[in-house]
Amino acid sequence: DAGVTQSPTHLIKTRGQQVTLRCSPKSGHDTVSWYQQALGQGPQFIFQYYEEEERQRGNFPDRFSGHQFPNYSSELNVNALLLGDSALYLCASSSNRDGGETQYFGPGTRLLVL
Amino acid sequence: GENVEQHPSTLSVQEGDSAVIKCTYSDSASNYFPWYKQELGKRPQLIIDIRSNVGEKKDQRIAVTLNKTAKHFSLHITETQPEDSAVYFCAAIPGNTDKLIFGTGTRLQVFP
Repeated sequence: DAGVTQSPTHLIKTRGQQVTLRCSPKSGHDTVSWYQQALGQGPQFIFQYYEEEERQRGNFPDRFSGHQFPNYSSELNVNALLLGDSALYLCASSSNRDGGETQYFGPGTRLLVL
Repeated sequence: GENVEQHPSTLSVQEGDSAVIKCTYSDSASNYFPWYKQELGKRPQLIIDIRSNVGEKKDQRIAVTLNKTAKHFSLHITETQPEDSAVYFCAAIPGNTDKLIFGTGTRLQVFP
């Protein structure tokens, strides 16, 4: 049973650049949520994708966008990177059929913006 | 707005002692309360969860209690072991959403 996977594991970018992060959900899951975890803090909700559409969104600017593919995998895109975007980006998968509450996290992508 | 407060921020215990971490939430419509354990450099790992129609849940050395009236929930770890050392996060899902609102975390250190 494959768990949640993310790529890449680490990424270094400079200010103003754009980045794409990828997530494959746990087998049998159809919903992907993205979170940003700054150093020493709890994860903050960015948005959630279900049926290839953004279903909910947290307090993040439009520079953060996403996509979900027919195989349920998802991408997070961040444009015009700022130094403050440096963080661990986590995706979590869940099953809408099972209520969607229980979320399992991937290993994360650590992004450093210089 | 939606908020989850968590205390204490750090907790040091001797191996074999118990540890208790407490959280409060703001949205009375919240109905799902998971706890995650995050070791250094690793993913948050779901260790136990509780729904609003249950007051207590236990899984071996770990238990969670929920007081809906006071909007409090707590994690109890008994017979702590050094491998329990990690950062623990409580979370809540507000009503009519599926987003997790996390507490600020508790760094638990278990000394041999």
